[in-house]
Amino acid sequence: ETGVTQSPTHLIKTRGQQVTLRCSSQSGHNTVSWYQQALGQGPQFIFQYYREEENGRGNFPPRFSGLQFPNYSSELNVNALELDDSALYLCASSFGAGGRQETQYFGPGTRLLVL
Amino acid sequence: GEDVEQSLFLSVREGDSSVINCTYTDSSSTYLYWYKQEPGAGLQLLTYIFSNMDMKQDQRLTVLLNKKDKHLSLRIADTQTGDSAIYFCAAAPGLGGSQGNLIFGKGTKLSVKP
Repeated sequence: ETGVTQSPTHLIKTRGQQVTLRCSSQSGHNTVSWYQQALGQGPQFIFQYYREEENGRGNFPPRFSGLQFPNYSSELNVNALELDDSALYLCASSFGAGGRQETQYFGPGTRLLVL
Repeated sequence: GEDVEQSLFLSVREGDSSVINCTYTDSSSTYLYWYKQEPGAGLQLLTYIFSNMDMKQDQRLTVLLNKKDKHLSLRIADTQTGDSAIYFCAAAPGLGGSQGNLIFGKGTKLSVKP
């Protein structure tokens, strides 16, 4: 067990709706990264939050947004859901300092189905 | 940008060794990782290697790194049925993983036959 928790575990939404996914980072970590894993694919980087600021973003549209809170937990928000947003959403926590990120530890993921 | 490639399937018999291969393109990736994913689960960190190392051994796991060819392999000795899973190779681009993100391959599905 990594100590990284995510909620909810499963979610069903319809096209056009909005969704918020949550992640609690491992104790001592100050960074949360979010990844999308489509069926049969490797995880794709969405963005990373370091000390409450966005610290890098992958090739995802602006309707994917996030927040990090003072306790380093994080939220991923997706607006105007599309069918292709159906995936496993993984968060990973790590410790970062001096422009360097240490090993990322993953949570169990939230499986989102968009109908 | 970084690209990571893996073969998609590997089938072995219980008790044999498994070797999963990976290639990457960005020589600035100073950390390379192996993660394991069981059905319906998140990613479990198995091991990682720093780019100034050629080999790292951890119990049944051996990682070999050929930095010149940008080739990484994971050897699992005495493979068990419980090792059946998808194995992902991941690179952390930028010096010391400074870009912050991980680039994953598509994963190798390991099937272990009794």
